[in-house]
Amino acid sequence: AQSVSQHNHHVILSEAASLELGCNYSYGGTVNLFWYVQYPGQHLQLLLKYFSGDPLVKGIKGFEAEFIKSKFSFNLRKPSVQWSDTAEYFCAVNRNSGGYQKVTFGTGTKLQVIP
Amino acid sequence: KAGVTQTPRYLIKTRGQQVTLSCSPISGHRSVSWYQQTPGQGLQFLFEYFSETQRNKGNFPGRFSGRQFSNSRSEMNVSTLELGDSALYLCASSRTSGGPWDTQYFGPGTRLTVL
Repeated sequence: AQSVSQHNHHVILSEAASLELGCNYSYGGTVNLFWYVQYPGQHLQLLLKYFSGDPLVKGIKGFEAEFIKSKFSFNLRKPSVQWSDTAEYFCAVNRNSGGYQKVTFGTGTKLQVIP
Repeated sequence: KAGVTQTPRYLIKTRGQQVTLSCSPISGHRSVSWYQQTPGQGLQFLFEYFSETQRNKGNFPGRFSGRQFSNSRSEMNVSTLELGDSALYLCASSRTSGGPWDTQYFGPGTRLTVL
């Protein structure tokens, strides 16, 4: 069965620190990859997505992610975090299975940025 | 363009009751997926509807059911509520189902509390 692993459940950083959140998936076929963010009290928002092409994807608010196919990874990065980045981050993998969309989410990583 | 809307935003029910949640997708989107979000389990896929047909289903008991109308609006029903059904129920819409370029957009969710 397809699975998505986010190894860091809770990350605490100081402002201006660099961020890298890990995401690994288990499916070996063609996948589309996403990072979603959920700010406190708000709904899930798309941060960035990878479908094909350049494996380094840039999203909103200075976030980027790199797809490494050989490692089945899609890690999220930001060079310098801000207090406003405090949120929960979810990695998601979408694959087409027999014409059906199959989306699996990781369990999420809570990021707390300390001013 | 208006986003995904969900009603009601909050619900309090007692064990044994049933509940119906509603989701209106983004205009032009024909696929609606439902997820259950809990602190312990993260986001878990319930089912997906496309053109009024259930296309995919997660591992939830038969008490959880849904339907989609010709205008793509969807409802989710949970019968014989249990305490463990307390969760945030999220609806996501996408333009198609299974398309490799598809992205899901999420609504704000319905917070269900079962007493």
